[in-house]
Amino acid sequence: ELVLTQSPGTLSLSPGERATLSCRASQSLSTRASAWYQQRPGQAPRLLIYGASSRATGIPDRFSGGGSGTDFTLTISRLEPEDFAVYYCHQYSPSSGLTFGGGTKVEMK
Amino acid sequence: QLQLQESGPGLVKPSETLSLTCSVSGGSISGTNYFWGWIRQPPGKRLEWLGSISYSGSTNYNPSLKSRVTISVDTSKNQFSLWLNSVTAADTAVYYCARWKVTATLGDAFDIWGQGTMVTVSS
Repeated sequence: ELVLTQSPGTLSLSPGERATLSCRASQSLSTRASAWYQQRPGQAPRLLIYGASSRATGIPDRFSGGGSGTDFTLTISRLEPEDFAVYYCHQYSPSSGLTFGGGTKVEMK
Repeated sequence: QLQLQESGPGLVKPSETLSLTCSVSGGSISGTNYFWGWIRQPPGKRLEWLGSISYSGSTNYNPSLKSRVTISVDTSKNQFSLWLNSVTAADTAVYYCARWKVTATLGDAFDIWGQGTMVTVSS
């Protein structure tokens, strides 16, 4: 069974600071179905990054993704007020299907 | 632009079948580079993928729910549907439908989401 662990659970930062979010998989995976989403309260998730490092349409370049194998990262270079939200990663494995991580909440310090 | 809208009962009794429909507007559901999926999120918890379907009816389900989930597509109505049987309180969640975009080289993901609909399982 594929398990995705996101860390930290909560990240307390100020606008303008850099945020680094981690998504660790219990098994080595292809980057093909590696993605990151942003979810604001009461809203549906919004795609930020797909294929581990490609930005989705309309996503600002302060968002970047990277990684391979079991370790994937989302970086927000300079936090804007609208970036304070919960972020989820997902991965795919043939045995478990599509699996989401537990999320990282980026909150304003 | 393409929009997705979930519809269905907001309250379902335990042991009954949950049924939701996702209507696609602003574009066709019949595209070879797309799948159409259902994802749910219990209150305060993580997202959980339920399954996906292509316009031709090819399905892929979450193994942990496979025995209870059925997804179908109706291209004439530009919509797809979810059935989840034998529901319990643990199935209470916001249910989202979304489009899974398949790219040749860059990667695949859910790029367009519906707004979600809350379904409560209670007698």
